[in-house]
Amino acid sequence: DADVTQTPRNRITKTGKRIMLECSQTKGHDRMYWYRQDPGLGLRLIYYSFDVKDINKGEISDGYSVSRQAQAKFSLSLESAIPNQTALYFCATSDAGQGARTDTQYFGPGTRLTVL
Amino acid sequence: QKEVEQDPGPLSVPEGAIVSLNCTYSNSAFQYFMWYRQYSRKGPELLMYTYSSGNKEDGRFTAQVDKSSKYISLFIRDSQPSDSATYLCAMSADTGRRALTFGSGTRLQVQP
Repeated sequence: DADVTQTPRNRITKTGKRIMLECSQTKGHDRMYWYRQDPGLGLRLIYYSFDVKDINKGEISDGYSVSRQAQAKFSLSLESAIPNQTALYFCATSDAGQGARTDTQYFGPGTRLTVL
Repeated sequence: QKEVEQDPGPLSVPEGAIVSLNCTYSNSAFQYFMWYRQYSRKGPELLMYTYSSGNKEDGRFTAQVDKSSKYISLFIRDSQPSDSATYLCAMSADTGRRALTFGSGTRLQVQP
């Protein structure tokens, strides 16, 4: 979905390096999410933000941090990357809570991260 | 035990077949149920949305929810090769502070 963009699309890094994944959206949604996807495990929630000042941990937040710089931008950082953080990372947005009847989430194209 | 269970497949069917995809769940508070479709190297996109129990139809796709059995299904009629993708079920308790809980996804291949 071109309304939700992620950079970079692919990244290879080494153990111990600091990595930032960025997400931008033009949908005007308040809610933004970071997920990781691993084979056989589906999508697991890392962090979510309901507005710039409301950031919450998801089910697998250890080793990650986030920053909501503006309504449109939500960044995910790996302070010291480790190999088991190799995964596909997705950012998503939602307009639930803004009068939407559903909790539809709109996903970006994903970032494939490899930690060697 | 995961909150949402989904058979990973792969499920391979001939073109034109009826496909049945299923998820079971354990949290009785779930009341919003969704199916997302994910093509290779793409992000998931919403396919069907259902609130509480019942059926919902959209073209070749039908979503069913049976809350008493904690079981949801997605049926695809007259399946096409373009339906080949991974299908993820997702659910939530409300549109408040809870985020979605996803199944692990079922990979579907429709053979021409």
